Amino acid sequence: SAVISQKPSRDICQRGTSLTIQCQVDSQVTMMFWYRQQPGQSLTLIATANQGSEATYESGFVIDKFPISRPNLTFSTLTVSNMSPEDSSIYLCSVDRGASTDTQYFGPGTRLTVL
Amino acid sequence: LAKTTQPISMDSYEGQEVNITCSHNNIATNDYITWYQQFPSQGPRFIIQGYKTKVTNEVASLFIPADRKSSTLSLPRVSLSDTAVYYCLVGPGEYSSASKIIFGSGTRLSIRP
Repeated sequence: SAVISQKPSRDICQRGTSLTIQCQVDSQVTMMFWYRQQPGQSLTLIATANQGSEATYESGFVIDKFPISRPNLTFSTLTVSNMSPEDSSIYLCSVDRGASTDTQYFGPGTRLTVL
Repeated sequence: LAKTTQPISMDSYEGQEVNITCSHNNIATNDYITWYQQFPSQGPRFIIQGYKTKVTNEVASLFIPADRKSSTLSLPRVSLSDTAVYYCLVGPGEYSSASKIIFGSGTRLSIRP
């Protein structure tokens, strides 16, 4: 199994600022995913990040707002830019288990509150 | 990607068997059925995956009828610690850079003493 850590675990930020969330995996993985989970809601995929290529964003999410880096096979960052209170959410990263993309390991999440 | 429909919430008691059914009428031939469990303040955790008939592991069983248009997650003898949200997903099981998983609304399971 993969062990995934995220930093920070939570943060409170001011409107208009940016926050970078880090995701570290204890083994090399091909695909990493970033999700958003608003309070009481299900998970929404933001983007898929493969090492060595640009991230692929889902409808409704753009690179200018959520830039992603994937410098190596064990690490990725998601930045939430120019934040507004609507960005208050839990942000989760996940990785594929190697067998299929339907079975993923998830990190503990980063709880973001924007004032 | 096939859409899934599951009950919004379910209640049960400790020691009971809980069955959560998921409908996926538009499941494709190469789609697998996967279930995740999410506790409060944690990321989802993979429980079980199946393609047809029955799959069992140390946590749960997954029953899939012949037409594969629905599936049932069975949790034997639940405890308070099984209180969580359970998500049913349907998607291609083979590894593909184009694949991604889509979470539905999930079922909030509450276990009472």
